[in-house]
Amino acid sequence: DTAVSQTPKYLVTQMGNDKSIKCEQNLGHDTMYWYKQDSKKFLKIMFSYNNKELIINETVPNRFSPKSPDKAHLNLHINSLELGDSAVYFCASSQESGLAGPHEQYFGPGTRLTVT
Amino acid sequence: AQKVTQAQTEISVVEKEDVTLDCVYETRDTTYYLFWYKQPPSGELVFLIRRNSFDEQNEISGRYSWNFQKSTSSFNFTITASQVVDSAVYFCALSGRNDYKLSFGAGTTVTVRA
Repeated sequence: DTAVSQTPKYLVTQMGNDKSIKCEQNLGHDTMYWYKQDSKKFLKIMFSYNNKELIINETVPNRFSPKSPDKAHLNLHINSLELGDSAVYFCASSQESGLAGPHEQYFGPGTRLTVT
Repeated sequence: AQKVTQAQTEISVVEKEDVTLDCVYETRDTTYYLFWYKQPPSGELVFLIRRNSFDEQNEISGRYSWNFQKSTSSFNFTITASQVVDSAVYFCALSGRNDYKLSFGAGTTVTVRA
């Protein structure tokens, strides 16, 4: 059973379109994340959610809107796609930070978005 | 702000050689956490280790070992007797106690040749 799953795995679309990426985790974690990996493999946080509440929005254009319908899901909707949005998007989850500090994050397989 | 530097962009070795990946970090936090992840050619990110700033003991897991030196702000990773399956991009990452995110280094690409 996949712990963190994302759909779709590949997404090819044209500039100006709107698209969504779905993420689900079955680990019982309270915290979920979206990361972007660019063409040089650099990984950067986009959003963090804890118990369905937005904790971090790391200077991401407001064309990107995350939504967490419940603790097991964190979806990413992107409006008016641009060429620069082409990247691999990773969803991740972890146990909530507590007295022991932040826990390791478990990543989904990634969604490769190509904007033409 | 947290910063992680992986100065080695690419390392190429022949099978059975040892390879050490450097990771240097910067943080103002007194409590922080360090991580290593592996990204094989298939693309997924695989968690390898988590270490907190109070635990400076080195750790060994099979052919993998980690050397944490607070005095030099380094958390280096060694693969002993490398194998072709170790070929991957390896990322070092840092998180403060309440960061709710990982700050990643740029990654080091390891190629192990048969």
